Amino acid sequence: QVQLVQSGAEVRKPGASVRVSCRASGYTFPSYAISWVRQAPGQGLEWMGWISAYTANTKSAQKFQDRVTMTTDTSTTTAYMELRSLRSDDSAVYYCARETGTYHVCDYWGQGTLVTVSS
Amino acid sequence: DIQMTQSPSSLSASVGDRVTITCRASQSISSYLNWYQQKPGKAPKLLIFAAYILQSGVPSRFSGSGSGTDFTLTISSLQPEDFATYYCQQSYNSPRTFGQGTKLEIK
Repeated sequence: QVQLVQSGAEVRKPGASVRVSCRASGYTFPSYAISWVRQAPGQGLEWMGWISAYTANTKSAQKFQDRVTMTTDTSTTTAYMELRSLRSDDSAVYYCARETGTYHVCDYWGQGTLVTVSS
Repeated sequence: DIQMTQSPSSLSASVGDRVTITCRASQSISSYLNWYQQKPGKAPKLLIFAAYILQSGVPSRFSGSGSGTDFTLTISSLQPEDFATYYCQQSYNSPRTFGQGTKLEIK
């Protein structure tokens, strides 16, 4: 069965970086993209960006473009999202999701990774 | 960026009720509209994609309609497990923006 398993919770100080991993199993990894979505405490969902696991092409929301790097490792079927220059308002649960099809739907999601930014 | 506006933001209903949630896009998105359900502390779950196509395994009491800028999610007869927050998302272009969510609570 399809599974996306994310890395554990992280605590960082303002200005630091964090890298979240998302290990995929149960499907042909290069055949799908991975999206990254975050959710601040008590808030809604915010799409951060997308990476093709086949071409490694990426597209990120403009507000994150200068601070986010998305990568994949096909040998370990793992996707990574690194966010730099962290601020307190980056504290959120970060989700990876498998993106599929013409309509770019996120059909399977990881369990989420809580990132807390605090001095 | 395309703005997605859901209404209402919250809704109280009873088991067995028929409920409709509306999502409006700031420009035409054809049928590139997806609906997700999220329960507290859990990841979102895909319910409907391409405006009306039910994801495998999702009960048939959920349905979606619309195209262009106006879309609806309908739950025909609310069950206890349906009380959650619902989000629409446009996947017409990037950034693939979400609506602000509709929290469905028990009356």
